[in-house]
Amino acid sequence: KAGVTQTPRYLIKTRGQQVTLSCSPISGHRSVSWYQQTPGQGLQFLFEYFSETQRNKGNFPGRFSGRQFSNSRSEMNVSTLELGDSALYLCASSGDSLHTEAFFGQGTRLTVV
Amino acid sequence: AQTVTQSQPEMSVQEAETVTLSCTYDTSESDYYLFWYKQPPSRQMILVIRQEAYKQQNATENRFSVNFQKAAKSFSLKISDSQLGDAAMYFCACSQGGSEKLVFGKGTKLTVNP
Repeated sequence: KAGVTQTPRYLIKTRGQQVTLSCSPISGHRSVSWYQQTPGQGLQFLFEYFSETQRNKGNFPGRFSGRQFSNSRSEMNVSTLELGDSALYLCASSGDSLHTEAFFGQGTRLTVV
Repeated sequence: AQTVTQSQPEMSVQEAETVTLSCTYDTSESDYYLFWYKQPPSRQMILVIRQEAYKQQNATENRFSVNFQKAAKSFSLKISDSQLGDAAMYFCACSQGGSEKLVFGKGTKLTVNP
C-alpha cells in the first residue's frame, strides 16, 4: 500500500510569489490534514478536508488556502509569500474512523527568499 | 482550546536503558484521544502509541508504554530497552471532536548513546 505522497519535496520561492503544494493520501483515505512545522512555533494545524469539504481550519491568515479533489488528493496554496512562511509543510491522511492513526507524508520544505 | 505541553526539550538515554518523556495537556472535552508520534531525521512522522481517554488501562506497544493520569492531565511515554533507532523527536498530541485535527506539543529530542 503506497504511503502519503507530497510533492514537491523542496521548493524555493521569492517573497510575494504564490505556491501550491500537493498531497496524495493513502488509497481509500478521505481525510487529509495539513500542518506547518517551524523551529519556533512547532507543528501547527492549517486545515483538514474530508470528502472535498473543509472540516476544520486553524488560525492562519487567508493567504493560506486549500482544497480537496474527488479522488481525495489535496492541494494547499499560499499567496503573497512572506519570509515567515518558510517551513516544512506536512500532510497527513486518515481513514474514516476518527482519531485512529494519521499517516504523514515526508513533507515539502518551502524556503522563501 | 486544547493545549499540549512537553517540558523536556531534550533527553538522552544509554542504549538498553529506560527513559520517560513527559507530556501534560489541557482540554475541556471529556472525549479525547492522546498520541505519541516520532519524527526521525528523515522527517516522516510515525505513530508510536495511542490512548483513548475513556480507557483507564494504559496503552502498550512492545517496548513503548504510557502512564496516563487523567485527573492530572498527564500522558508520559516510557521507552524500555532503548535502541539506537529510537533516536528522534517525539511529539505528544491530542485530538477531540468531529475532526482529525491534532494539537501537538513542542517536542522532545531523544538521543540514544551507545
